[in-house]
Amino acid sequence: DTGVSQDPRHKITKRGQNVTFRCDPISEHNRLYWYRQTLGQGPEFLTYFQNEAQLEKSRLLSDRFSAERPKGSFSTLEIQRTEQGDSAMYLCASIKKGTGDYGYTFGSGTRLTVV
Amino acid sequence: QKEVEQNSGPLSVPEGAIASLNCTYSDRGSQSFFWYRQYSGKSPELIMSIYSNGDKEDGRFTAQLNKASQYVSLLIRDSQPSDSATYLCAVIINSGGSNYKLTFGKGTLLTVNP
Repeated sequence: DTGVSQDPRHKITKRGQNVTFRCDPISEHNRLYWYRQTLGQGPEFLTYFQNEAQLEKSRLLSDRFSAERPKGSFSTLEIQRTEQGDSAMYLCASIKKGTGDYGYTFGSGTRLTVV
Repeated sequence: QKEVEQNSGPLSVPEGAIASLNCTYSDRGSQSFFWYRQYSGKSPELIMSIYSNGDKEDGRFTAQLNKASQYVSLLIRDSQPSDSATYLCAVIINSGGSNYKLTFGKGTLLTVNP
């Protein structure tokens, strides 16, 4: 059990470029969550998966954002046509369904800077 | 009204003092409450969970829950400079149907001065 792994740790991109982040959950965890955290704010929910099904999306997730979890294992979060307002820490967490009441464990996050 | 509210601080205490962090939440049906610690540039780390009214102690940390008042707090005794961080209150909130998710406050920045 190596914990939740996120890649890359840091990403600097020019405005208008597309970026993709990856999250590898703890094995056997069937729920996977994406959050976004901007400076001075708490993490904000973006979306979550149960296995490969995307069950909920926040209205924060504009149509420039897409997330997938093929085969219910790792997940990717893609941002198209990045904007400066997308600069944030993107956090991933995973849990086994039914254990959410024990709290979520987060990966190290991907810090995105859009210049 | 935000779902989870915290005083944003900053809160500054001298080393050895008690730091008191407060949080209120809006969903009366919530049953699970957490405190996370986040060092600058790092991801949140779970430090306390509480589910029943009253106090729960873990080392120098005590979480307090009052569901009637929809209030959660975290006390840090004998504060150390290494406790300097942002403390995030988080609550499992029903977002509709069978969807439950962890919802965070903005966090309180704590500085412990040597």
